[in-house]
Amino acid sequence: QVQLVESGGGVVQPGGSLRLSCAASGFTFSSYGMHWVRQAPGKGLEWVAFIRYDGSNKYYADSVKGRFTISRDNSKNTLYLQMNSLRAEDTAVYYCAKEPTTVTSLSLDVWGKGTTVTVSS
Amino acid sequence: DIQMTQSPSSLSASVGDRVTITCRASQSISSYLNWYQQKPGKAPKLLIYAASSLQSGVPSRFSGSGSGTDFTLTISSLQPEDFATYYCQQSYSTPVSFGQGTKLEIK
Repeated sequence: QVQLVESGGGVVQPGGSLRLSCAASGFTFSSYGMHWVRQAPGKGLEWVAFIRYDGSNKYYADSVKGRFTISRDNSKNTLYLQMNSLRAEDTAVYYCAKEPTTVTSLSLDVWGKGTTVTVSS
Repeated sequence: DIQMTQSPSSLSASVGDRVTITCRASQSISSYLNWYQQKPGKAPKLLIYAASSLQSGVPSRFSGSGSGTDFTLTISSLQPEDFATYYCQQSYSTPVSFGQGTKLEIK
């Protein structure tokens, strides 16, 4: 079955860096666009970034542009989110999610369980 | 950027009730609108895509309608497992945006 498993979360000081990973299985990872979405404690969902199936195009929320980088390694079936210059407001559960079809639709049909990032001194 | 506004922000209802949640986009998004359900401590689950198409495995008591800027999610007869938070999401353009959520609580 389709499965997405995030890892790499933790506690980091303001200004620090963290790299999240999302291991994919149960589908042809290299054919699907992928997203990162986050949810601050007690808040709603915030889209973070999207990468096309081949990594050729990447899109970011304004709140993370220039600080976060989405990437993928299709040989390892893994999605990444490199987060630099972290701020307190980046504290959230980070989810990876896949697109429903091989054609980009900006929809998210399967989500991982999430990994928690806490930015605090 | 497209802003998504849901109403109400919270709603109390009873098992068996018919419930409607509204989502409005700040500009026309055709039918590029999805609905998600999220339960506490869990990841969101896709319910409706393209405004009115039911995701596989989702009970038929859920339905979606609308196009342009105004959309609705309807639950025809609330079940105990439906008490959750619901989000709309526009898939028309990046940056992707979600509504602020509607928390559906038991009356």
